[in-house]
Amino acid sequence: DSGVTQTPKHLITATGQRVTLRCSPRSGDLSVYWYQQSLDQGLQFLIQYYNGEERAKGNILERFSAQQFPDLHSELNLSSLELGDSALYFCASSVDNNYGYTFGSGTRLTVV
Amino acid sequence: DQQVKQNSPSLSVQEGRISILNCDYTNSMFDYFLWYKKYPAEGPTFLISISSIKDKNEDGRFTVFLNKSAKHLSLHIVPSQPGDSAVYFCAARGFGNEKLTFGTGTRLTIIP
Repeated sequence: DSGVTQTPKHLITATGQRVTLRCSPRSGDLSVYWYQQSLDQGLQFLIQYYNGEERAKGNILERFSAQQFPDLHSELNLSSLELGDSALYFCASSVDNNYGYTFGSGTRLTVV
Repeated sequence: DQQVKQNSPSLSVQEGRISILNCDYTNSMFDYFLWYKKYPAEGPTFLISISSIKDKNEDGRFTVFLNKSAKHLSLHIVPSQPGDSAVYFCAARGFGNEKLTFGTGTRLTIIP
């Protein structure tokens, strides 16, 4: 157990639907990062939050949004889902990034 | 634009021999490099890192070498063990930037 909790582990949904992925960071970590891993692709950075504020944005689609709540948990909202959104979505957290991030075990999203 | 490249999607190595995983980067602003290891159904876990002020960092069986002029880093695992079979991701970070840019990964298989 890395200390970063992601729910749900698996999600199957239809095109056009909306889903919410949840992440609880490791205790004491203020930063939360969201990454997407599609088939045969590396980890693509989506967005970072630090203590409730958006800090950095990557190649995140307009159909996707995220937020970090006062208790530091984060949610990634994916809407108008397309087949190509099927991927593993990882959340990671860090305190000072000297040793990189701690990743959760991911949410596997399948859009059918 | 793939700023971090791992050109070998897979690598097979005999148990006990040396495994060498390679990574190239294009962004000269990267100043910190990390290797992550990923088992199936788990999130990536931090393995070893190196700052751009060094050219080598060692941790047990794992050594990372950095050649800044060639924009190349490598991970050496000696001796290789069956438990090392996993996907290895190279990642890089720019100065003052907490975001990590990942490569596409190399699947290492250790043959008993």
